[in-house]
Amino acid sequence: NAGVMQNPRHLVRRRGQEARLRCSPMKGHSHVYWYRQLPEEGLKFMVYLQKENIIDESGMPKERFSAEFPKEGPSILRIQQVVRGDSAAYFCASSRGTGKVNTEAFFGQGTRLTVV
Amino acid sequence: GNSVTQMEGPVTLSEEAFLTINCTYTATGYPSLFWYVQYPGEGLQLLLKATKADDKGSNKGFEATYRKETTSFHLEKGSVQVSDSAVYFCALTYNQAGTALIFGKGTTLSVSS
Repeated sequence: NAGVMQNPRHLVRRRGQEARLRCSPMKGHSHVYWYRQLPEEGLKFMVYLQKENIIDESGMPKERFSAEFPKEGPSILRIQQVVRGDSAAYFCASSRGTGKVNTEAFFGQGTRLTVV
Repeated sequence: GNSVTQMEGPVTLSEEAFLTINCTYTATGYPSLFWYVQYPGEGLQLLLKATKADDKGSNKGFEATYRKETTSFHLEKGSVQVSDSAVYFCALTYNQAGTALIFGKGTTLSVSS
């Protein structure tokens, strides 16, 4: 049973380009979360999605950032017109999300975005 | 609002030393509490958790007890190893499907032989 798969592991973009980060949740998981880890900081929640729905995007920057989790395929975090401040590690997590307890969230290895 | 506060690092210890990493939280209601570990270049792995007051989570020699009266969830290990060198994150969430985790800033542990 493969874990949460993120790709690419490392991504370098020039200022103004688009960055596209992919996340395939664990088999059987229908809940996906994206977190951003800035240097020397903890993880900050960005967005929570279920298939074809954005449930909570309260942590997403208002501009340039978007996320989707289509019926088929991985979840995508898209950053348009990247700036140096977007350089960070982006982690995806998935969970079953059934029942009343937020069951364990499994994390991917992250995508380290560097904007040059 | 809800938040998690961890002791500042880095924490530097010799092998077989006793480890404590403090974590306190602010939350309404009764959250679940977690410790995650991040090894260099890797994603986060769940280390242990506790879902209600007085519960003790334990794994790989690490322990933490959910203390509602002091709103704390301190991580302890009696004898650390070099392989325990990593960043440790305390986190909370609510017992509700789909609720995101709120993380502390992380504490870097470095263990030397």
